[in-house]
Parts: sequence; structure tokens; C-alpha cells
Amino acid sequence: GAGVSQSPSNKVTEKGKDVELRCDPISGHTALYWYRQSLGQGLEFLIYFQGNSAPDKSGLPSDRFSAERTGGSVSTLTIQRTQQEDSAVYLCASSTGENQPQHFGDGTRLSIL
Amino acid sequence: AQTVTQSQPEMSVQEAETVTLSCTYDTSESDYYLFWYKQPPSRQMILVIRQEAYKQQNATENRFSVNFQKAAKSFSLKISDSQLGDAAMYFCAYRSVYGNKLVFGAGTILRVKS
Repeated sequence: GAGVSQSPSNKVTEKGKDVELRCDPISGHTALYWYRQSLGQGLEFLIYFQGNSAPDKSGLPSDRFSAERTGGSVSTLTIQRTQQEDSAVYLCASSTGENQPQHFGDGTRLSIL
Repeated sequence: AQTVTQSQPEMSVQEAETVTLSCTYDTSESDYYLFWYKQPPSRQMILVIRQEAYKQQNATENRFSVNFQKAAKSFSLKISDSQLGDAAMYFCAYRSVYGNKLVFGAGTILRVKS
């Protein structure tokens, strides 16, 4: 597609379960970003990929959070042993490179019961 | 660390009127980028306008313009001839030239009345 694609659109899971969120960036975009949007914390940066490497993962809130990117394209954000405070909208963005405008997907709304 | 402050949680404007959304930021850097993003209920963040700090001229995109006051660290968004489709959450964001992450303000909900 033409834009950043995220799946699933919505995810409801029980506390303690693991979840995987997927981001398919715009074709040709080498930079990929994950952000989290929650009621209490607003919009927060999580991690940045350039190609398959993550030079900045400073925003990951705990070691339960991890992300990978393969083939310089699709990225997966994994949250292990989910907690209720993980409930949020997870947004992915991509750009053609450093210092270029970021284009966002529609996000995944994650709800932890 | 840089911070972005949007002091207006909510604003209302009559259709066809003009509204200004406020944003201030704090940084010790001299070169950086500032952005306004729009987030409608669909959740997708849409880039509205971008300003490079080294440019003195205020950016303009059709009905959207900014008032960039570098010394005051202020970056307000003016929407002229407001339309119903402008109703959304608006976020002000900062990005250092040395980094890639966006630092967002808390957002302002804009309501447009017909």
C-alpha cells in the first residue's frame, strides 16, 4: 500500500500474555519509529530503526519490550508478560532517512484486561 | 532534555473563522525542527506543517501558517477559514538535528462549530 500499515488495528489480551504488533513501512523508507500514545503519558518515543539496526532504543520502558526489523522493512514490537499499564495506542512511523518527515500509520490500540 | 508544552487542552472555532493554537518548547540547541501534526479520530498522525529553526520565514501550507518566535521559543499554528474537517487533536512536536525522535506536546483538541 501507499502508507504505513499496522496490524492488528485493535488487540485485546489478558494480563500476563505476550503480544506482537506489526508495522509495514512505506516502501523504500529506511527509517522506522515506534511511539506509544497513552492517556497518562501522552505520545512517547519508544525506538528508532535505521535499516535493521536500532541506534536509539532509549524509549523502551522496560525489558519486557523489544522490537526487531528484518529485511529493512517490516518491524515487530513485542511486549512480554503484558501489564495493564501497557494499554495504549502504539504508533509506527517511517521516513526516507534521517531528518526527513515521519509518516505515521493508524496505530494499534492495545487493551490489557 | 527537550520539552514541548501545549497549554490549551481544548479550543473551539466557528466554521470559516480563524483559530490559533499555542505551543512553546524548551531546548538548549540552536538548530532543530518543529512540526504540527493533526490526529483525527482515525488515529493517523498527519503532518500539517514543518519549520526549520534556521529559517526566519514562517512556514505556510494553504490555510495553515505558523508564527515562529525563536527567541521566545514559541511556535503557534494559525488555521484560517476553518472547516469541519479541521476538527481533530493537534500536536506540536520538536526534533533535534542530532536525533531522530519526535518530542510531542500533550495536544490540543480543536472543535469546529457549524
